Amino acid sequence: AQKITQTQPGMFVQEKEAVTLDCTYDTSDQSYGLFWYKQPSSGEMIFLIYQGSYDEQNATEGRYSLNFQKARKSANLVISASQLGDSAMYFCAMREIKNTGNQFYFGTGTSLTVIP
Amino acid sequence: GAVVSQHPSRVICKSGTSVKIECRSLDFQATTMFWYRQFPKQSLMLMATSNEGSKATYEQGVEKDKFLINHASLTLSTLTVTSAHPEDSSFYICSARVGFYSTDTQYFGPGTRLTVL
Repeated sequence: AQKITQTQPGMFVQEKEAVTLDCTYDTSDQSYGLFWYKQPSSGEMIFLIYQGSYDEQNATEGRYSLNFQKARKSANLVISASQLGDSAMYFCAMREIKNTGNQFYFGTGTSLTVIP
Repeated sequence: GAVVSQHPSRVICKSGTSVKIECRSLDFQATTMFWYRQFPKQSLMLMATSNEGSKATYEQGVEKDKFLINHASLTLSTLTVTSAHPEDSSFYICSARVGFYSTDTQYFGPGTRLTVL
């Protein structure tokens, strides 16, 4: 089974509108972390937001917020007031903490295009 | 689904030695492979981009003689950290992309933890 599932290969949003990028995860661990990264065409990975499994409140960072629904194992990214510069690939990732060290799992990404 | 593996998952080495990390796409051919290094606060720094059969393109500030990247086949890329030092200790992640475009599907490896004593 996929550890991280991003079901939206491509999304379009009007400038200044909000958009939600979906992410579901699969783990039997109690302690884990969830991440969202933005990847422009240059290939770099820009860290956006982090949610710990024990965090009771949804993480927020500026225009980014993470809609964490633990029971549903979903960690959707919400971008408010979209900007043209938000056009990029977005990756959801999970970190499991093992005795042998951290294990990372990434989704296959969602391509977001912001329309002027 | 497509899987990208990295080997080893953890490696501890002495200062001055060289370490090779392999990144393999197990059930698809990767046109492009990326190598990232994780820094504190979760950021992932792109080290280099490699296309099969050609030299890797290194990002500014990454020493190409220290971090040797080889993409000899469509399913294998290697990162060799030469003369490793404690400051090279980090988590290294590779990813493999099926095509040349930024919107093509990209798969990530689980990462390799390098500790240099």
